[in-house]
Amino acid sequence: NAGVMQNPRHLVRRRGQEARLRCSPMKGHSHVYWYRQLPEEGLKFMVYLQKENIIDESGMPKERFSAEFPKEGPSILRIQQVVRGDSAAYFCASSPTGGYGYTFGSGTRLTVV
Amino acid sequence: GQQVMQIPQYQHVQEGEDFTTYCNSSTTLSNIQWYKQRPGGHPVFLIQLVKSGEVKKQKRLTFQFGEAKKNSSLHITATQTTDVGTYFCAGTTGANNLFFGTGTRLTVIP
Repeated sequence: NAGVMQNPRHLVRRRGQEARLRCSPMKGHSHVYWYRQLPEEGLKFMVYLQKENIIDESGMPKERFSAEFPKEGPSILRIQQVVRGDSAAYFCASSPTGGYGYTFGSGTRLTVV
Repeated sequence: GQQVMQIPQYQHVQEGEDFTTYCNSSTTLSNIQWYKQRPGGHPVFLIQLVKSGEVKKQKRLTFQFGEAKKNSSLHITATQTTDVGTYFCAGTTGANNLFFGTGTRLTVIP
């Protein structure tokens, strides 16, 4: 019973490139959440999705960031035209019902050079 | 917006000493959860508290949810080196997404 799978684990992008982060939730979990964590800081909520729906994107920057959770396949967090300030660990979590006992993936560490 | 603060930000203890972290929300919470993140790792769910005044124990860990459902605490008795990490509280207000506290980083000195 695989947990939450995130890939890649590490991603290096040059300024101006696109970063695409993938998350496959645990089997049976239909709620997916994305969080960003800067070094030595807490987890900042970005977006909450269910299949084909964005439920809450109040934590997403208005520009360059987008997220989707298609009917088939993993959830994708997409960052266009990356800047140095986007360097962070991005964690995906899933839960069977909203708001309870999240299972986190191992994260994607994005470095923008 | 919702804010969840934790104190202290850092705590260094000698192995065998007790440790407590406190969590305070600006709004009343539907439930509160606690997570542990080891250095370089990802958050791992520890427990959820739902009822006002609820107390739960897991071995050496004791979790409390305040009567007003706006604060919580985690107490570790007789810390061990395996307790090292950052402890986060996280709350919901009825919406389905969790807002995480600022975290308390625990260092245990052998």
